[in-house]
Amino acid sequence: DGGITQSPKYLFRKEGQNVTLSCEQNLNHDAMYWYRQDPGQGLRLIYYSQIVNDFQKGDIAEGYSVSREKKESFPLTVTSAQKNPTAFYLCASRSGGPEAFFGQGTRLTVV
Amino acid sequence: KQEVTQIPAALSVPEGENLVLNCSFTDSAIYNLQWFRQDPGKGLTSLLLIQSSQREQTSGRLNASLDKSSGRSTLYIAASQPGDSATYLCAVIVNYGGSQGNLIFGKGTKLSVKP
Repeated sequence: DGGITQSPKYLFRKEGQNVTLSCEQNLNHDAMYWYRQDPGQGLRLIYYSQIVNDFQKGDIAEGYSVSREKKESFPLTVTSAQKNPTAFYLCASRSGGPEAFFGQGTRLTVV
Repeated sequence: KQEVTQIPAALSVPEGENLVLNCSFTDSAIYNLQWFRQDPGKGLTSLLLIQSSQREQTSGRLNASLDKSSGRSTLYIAASQPGDSATYLCAVIVNYGGSQGNLIFGKGTKLSVKP
């Protein structure tokens, strides 16, 4: 089936450790997005990419990094510089049309 | 800066009731508006998309309207069911500057439908 796959579903990070969240899509969409969701908050944009080998910072990019080497993949790295990384992370994609589609999310917890 | 507000933050209704969820946005220069459903611990499921040239969209028991001039959208749910219990998120899609196609979200309305 076509869709967006995020892995892992749950991820635990130790203090000072970098971790990478995976997002893969087989929808042939050009644009991909990473959002962070905290309890009682709306989704906030971390990074987005409109095309392969290009990406832009969103509203809360500090402490995060991304790459877009392939159209299908947009991994997000949460670095040790992100002081409060515990949150629910959502990946999304869009074709040239208006509708956005989301993955099932990764819950990251600092231990 | 575009801001999206959803009222109420939480809503509890008895099964069978018709209900309206509200979404307002501060800048009418939107590209589209999309309503999503989110179940606990899950991703977002797209419910309805309204393009800027449209005034409403319908899917089954759901009807969404858009009034760009007043900066408002409503999601109408007819004959609510316990399975409708979820958080409903509204997002406007902006298309200016370097933010082409980005979604800006409200904080959501948590709906509980009691049997």
